[in-house]
Amino acid sequence: KAGVTQTPRYLIKTRGQQVTLSCSPISGHRSVSWYQQTPGQGLQFLFEYFSETQRNKGNFPGRFSGRQFSNSRSEMNVSTLELGDSALYLCASSSRPLSSGSYNEQFFGPGTRLTVL
Amino acid sequence: EDQVTQSPEALRLQEGESSSLNCSYTVSGLRGLFWYRQDPGKGPEFLFTLYSAGEEKEKERLKATLTKKESFLHITAPKPEDSATYLCAVGTGTASKLTFGTGTRLQVTL
Repeated sequence: KAGVTQTPRYLIKTRGQQVTLSCSPISGHRSVSWYQQTPGQGLQFLFEYFSETQRNKGNFPGRFSGRQFSNSRSEMNVSTLELGDSALYLCASSSRPLSSGSYNEQFFGPGTRLTVL
Repeated sequence: EDQVTQSPEALRLQEGESSSLNCSYTVSGLRGLFWYRQDPGKGPEFLFTLYSAGEEKEKERLKATLTKKESFLHITAPKPEDSATYLCAVGTGTASKLTFGTGTRLQVTL
């Protein structure tokens, strides 16, 4: 069974630009969550999508947005990039939504390393 | 707000020297505690899920245990390939998300 895939693996952007990251979950998984990982803050929850609907959102500004398609693939967009947005962006897939309150395993992709200059 | 604290931040062991990593949590309504292993430049790899106090799970040289306030990841006779950052995360009934600790960086030397 193929794992979670993320593209691109590496990105370099300049301040003020926008970026779109893509995540394909494990086949059959309909929940996709996004996380930002930085050395200082660790993994921080961005948002979760399940069946094309955003189910929950973390404490990030509105510049961070996402969407999910009918095939469960998800994209994350960051507009007006800032230096502080440099991080590893991870997505995780699961067969049930976190918002169900019944947690099962979340499987992570390899991440997209975003560098903002 | 849910809080997860991992200790120590870093741990250096010799091959064969057993030890434990700690994950303490302050949450409302724990629904699941997760352990992950993360190698440099890669995404976290799922290890265990624990759901209730007293539960234990094992995988090769790793054993995870859970109490009402903390979880331990015991590493028995570690090998250099066990070197990684170990992350713990909690899921609660109210937060609808995983809250992660900052991890323990484990280095196992020959």
